[in-house]
Amino acid sequence: EDQVTQSPEALRLQEGESSSLNCSYTVSGLRGLFWYRQDPGKGPEFLFTLYSAGEEKEKERLKATLTKKESFLHITAPKPEDSATYLCAVQTWMDSSYKLIFGSGTRLLVRP
Amino acid sequence: EPEVTQTPSHQVTQMGQEVILRCVPISNHLYFYWYRQILGQKVEFLVSFYNNEISEKSEIFDDQFSVERPDGSNFTLKIRSTKLEDSAMYFCASSESETENTGELFFGEGSRLTVL
Repeated sequence: EDQVTQSPEALRLQEGESSSLNCSYTVSGLRGLFWYRQDPGKGPEFLFTLYSAGEEKEKERLKATLTKKESFLHITAPKPEDSATYLCAVQTWMDSSYKLIFGSGTRLLVRP
Repeated sequence: EPEVTQTPSHQVTQMGQEVILRCVPISNHLYFYWYRQILGQKVEFLVSFYNNEISEKSEIFDDQFSVERPDGSNFTLKIRSTKLEDSAMYFCASSESETENTGELFFGEGSRLTVL
């Protein structure tokens, strides 16, 4: 069964304290791995899609990387406005459309 | 910036009543989706829709659910007879393409459904 596991469940950082969020996956065939940000009561906001091992993408203080088993979302010098839940999701070759399988998310709190 | 819009933002209904949730996808997008998130749980896929028909649906999407694109802009999710366990946030999403690697899936802000 396809699975996506995110760790840690929650992370508290001081402003400026860099860290990484992990997303490990077990799927029949990875078509794409997605990272989203979700604020409370809001819809997921697209951040990145990664397609092949070794691929990296960056956006402001965020960098996403991908291996054959997991993805990391690196947060460099975070600010309080980076506080949110970060969701990882995978799309597999078994499915014909954007049927994304989501992880439970990592709740990030950045304190000033 | 183009966005997916959903209405209503919150709906409260009695068990057994019919509910219609509405979505306006991004205008040049061709693929439409409904996902849901029960409070404190993962976001779950419900259904995908392309070319005026369902392309894929999950086990959750049973006979109580239906989707429709009644005109050129709206995309609706109907729940025929709501149950308590249907209480959740329902997200509409759209994408420009299905297979191209540059594709992105954009979500709306969600419609919170509370079934009493």
